[in-house]
Amino acid sequence: AQSVTQLGSHVSVSEGALVLLRCNYSSSVPPYLFWYVQYPNQGLQLLLKYTSAATLVKGINGFEAEFKKSETSFHLTKPSAHMSDAAEYFCAVSEDNAGNMLTFGGGTRLMVKP
Amino acid sequence: ETGVTQTPRHLVMGMTNKKSLKCEQHLGHNAMYWYKQSAKKPLELMFVYNFKEQTENNSVPSRFSPECPNSSHLFLHLHTLQPEDSALYLCASSQGTDNEKLFFGSGTQLSVL
Repeated sequence: AQSVTQLGSHVSVSEGALVLLRCNYSSSVPPYLFWYVQYPNQGLQLLLKYTSAATLVKGINGFEAEFKKSETSFHLTKPSAHMSDAAEYFCAVSEDNAGNMLTFGGGTRLMVKP
Repeated sequence: ETGVTQTPRHLVMGMTNKKSLKCEQHLGHNAMYWYKQSAKKPLELMFVYNFKEQTENNSVPSRFSPECPNSSHLFLHLHTLQPEDSALYLCASSQGTDNEKLFFGSGTQLSVL
């Protein structure tokens, strides 16, 4: 069985500040991990995914995430927040790298203050 | 547990079969969604229902037919599907459709033979 926990349903940062969205997972098999973003009034978009090739994964819009097996974490970061980053972010885990049978976390809403 | 339940978890069907996917939410939400997750593509929004009324059909072929009898239940009726329709079908719900937080089900993994 797999599960995903996102700490903090709401995160607020100032423009230009570091963004850190936390994701911890549990999986009985080597996991494939995903971050999705939902911008206001839009559907989900894939931000990045970890498929065991490299522990530090770079995604779109300057985001990256680091897979830490010892901590069972896959936190999402961005060095400098932009107003356009305000969105809902979902972490997900799958048993295969195609993202089939995704298990989603509860989501974190990122708010960016001017 | 997000409060959104999808059945079945797995479904294998032939191209001439008719089947239905079911989604149920116990969160008191007014909006429900069908998404499609294909193997090499990002999540695709298929349908949106708000207060039982379809508010969006994202150019989905007619072999997919949604039904929303009430705000708690959403179905996706499938008939004469193609192998390329094999995918993970995710249901989601939200309080409304105006930038509301989505709650996802675990999905139905569909294989069309």
